Order: sequence, then C-alpha cells, then structure tokens
Amino acid sequence: KQEVTQIPAALSVPEGENLVLNCSFTDSAIYNLQWFRQDPGKGLTSLLLIQSSQREQTSGRLNASLDKSSGRSTLYIAASQPGDSATYLCAVRSGTSYGKLTFGQGTILTVHP
Amino acid sequence: ETGVTQTPRHLVMGMTNKKSLKCEQHLGHNAMYWYKQSAKKPLELMFVYNFKEQTENNSVPSRFSPECPNSSHLFLHLHTLQPEDSALYLCASSRSMIGLAGGLDEQFFGPGTRLTVL
Repeated sequence: KQEVTQIPAALSVPEGENLVLNCSFTDSAIYNLQWFRQDPGKGLTSLLLIQSSQREQTSGRLNASLDKSSGRSTLYIAASQPGDSATYLCAVRSGTSYGKLTFGQGTILTVHP
Repeated sequence: ETGVTQTPRHLVMGMTNKKSLKCEQHLGHNAMYWYKQSAKKPLELMFVYNFKEQTENNSVPSRFSPECPNSSHLFLHLHTLQPEDSALYLCASSRSMIGLAGGLDEQFFGPGTRLTVL
C-alpha cells in the first residue's frame, strides 16, 4: 500500500527566503507525482506534475524534483512571498491503480512580511 | 464557467436528510473523481468514473451513492449520514485516467463542498 509523507508539517519563513518542501513515498512504482496548493477552505490548484521518467519540472518560482528510486520529491520555492502562504500537498499516482492519487498530509506554509 | 465547479459550496444536514452534491467540469475530460478531505487526515479517494463507468469504489459506505450521467457531470447522493462524515468533499477531473505521457492524467479540482452533518 502506497504511503506518502510530507515534511515538515508546518513552516513559517520571512518573505524573500528560498525554501524546500519534502515529500517521500513508499512504493517507487509510480506513474507520476503532482504538487498542489490549497488555500484555506478551498479546492486544490495543481502546481506541477512530474512524470516518472522526468527528473524535474519548473514553473516560475517553483521547481519540483523527483528521485523515483529513493522515493523522494522536493518542491523548491524561490524568493517566497506572503501570497505563497497555503497548504502544499504532494500526491503520487501509483502504477497499480488507475486514476488513484495517494496524498500526503500536506505542509502548511506561512510567509510573513 | 470554466474548470471544475461544485454546488453547493456549503451544506448542513441532519442525519435523516437526503441531499446531493453536484460537480460539473467544462474541460472536455473523460474521467471524474470524488475525494473526501477530513480534518487532520490526508485526502482520500472515494470514487472514480471513466467515460461514465465507475471504475473504483474505495470501500466507501453505501450511504454515499455516486452517479455519473455523462462525462461532464458527477453527483454524490447522501442519505442517513453520520456526524463523522462531516468533511470537505472535492471533485476532480482529468482527460484520461490511464498513466500516459504528457500529463493527460493530470487532475484538476473543484472548490469543494463543505458538509456538516448534525
């Protein structure tokens, strides 16, 4: 059974810092890994999707890496802004169950001015 | 309207009530999903539909009954719920549910329905 863990559970940083969010998964047989952002009481916004054959994806100030063999992904946020404050969720698509995303518990990020 | 929409956004119901949640996607996708997000627990997949056919029921109690009349609409019928069913219910869609290159199985989420069962 796939399990996804995100560390840290919460992170508070001053504006302008570069930061790294971590995600680990127990079964390396994945199709892809997706990073989401969730604002309080809202749905999920997809940030980046990395296919199992890829090592990283970039979008603006965000960079996500994937090391499938070690079961790890990181989300790097450059020059953080207060508007980046949200919960960041990592989800993996396992090879044994079509359509099923397994989520981590998320990292609650607060960027203070 | 664009993307994935859900109605109602908030719902309060008693344990004996019957209500339905609605999801609509305007993305031309073929797969739709129901997820449950409870406090302090990871998002859990409930149901998956592909081309209107249910392909996965993740051991969900029968008091939750999904319906998918077409590829654009997904319902979750609720009856005799329990207080522990209170949660944020999220709908998602993707072009495909099969792992394909190019991100065709990337899931897009609606804003959710906040359900409170009294």
